[in-house]
Amino acid sequence: DAKTTQPTSMDCAEGRAANLPCNHSTISGNEYVYWYRQIHSQGPQYIIHGLKNNETNEMASLIITEDRKSSTLILPHATLRDTAVYYCIVRTYGQNFVFGPGTRLSVLP
Amino acid sequence: NAGVTQTPKFRILKIGQSMTLQCTQDMNHNYMYWYRQDPGMGLKLIYYSVGAGITDKGEVPNGYNVSRSTTEDFPLRLELAAPSQTSVYFCASSYDRANSGNTIYFGEGSWLTVV
Repeated sequence: DAKTTQPTSMDCAEGRAANLPCNHSTISGNEYVYWYRQIHSQGPQYIIHGLKNNETNEMASLIITEDRKSSTLILPHATLRDTAVYYCIVRTYGQNFVFGPGTRLSVLP
Repeated sequence: NAGVTQTPKFRILKIGQSMTLQCTQDMNHNYMYWYRQDPGMGLKLIYYSVGAGITDKGEVPNGYNVSRSTTEDFPLRLELAAPSQTSVYFCASSYDRANSGNTIYFGEGSWLTVV
């Protein structure tokens, strides 16, 4: 299975952009990059996903490198409520998602 | 807009007891999943189902059983509860194959403690 590598933790100042990196060097051509987040042991929440092109929605932007070996999730104006664990997922186990430990983002006042 | 609903939210079990975690979704999704999450760890897949009448094992199926008699419901059965099954359990659903671009929707979790 392709593995994702994310930093264990990151800090971001409130109101600034949070840029969360993810490495997925063995991703296959038809596999998507997904981002989820989990706030304080709630159920994981979908943020965004993409295949090749950059994507943007009301929550975030996803920048995928041209070789697709890495991506960055951007929260343009982080708030305290964005403090969470962020999961980058690119492979499935059979037909499913595999969740790693993720990145713990702390938004600081 | 209910989405994925799990019950109970909290439960304490004694070693050797059995129980069923209920999960229902109202989005007409074909795929349903059960994950567990131990403290400070990522989610691990226990079982999944691709449609009514079809179930399959995930990464950590031992000690659990599932059934899928309807599209909406996917209960998880714990037989002979053990302390190692103390965890938070998440049910999830998706319309189609998870790596085809469709997203997964999660319930709010069920906290289980085995003492």
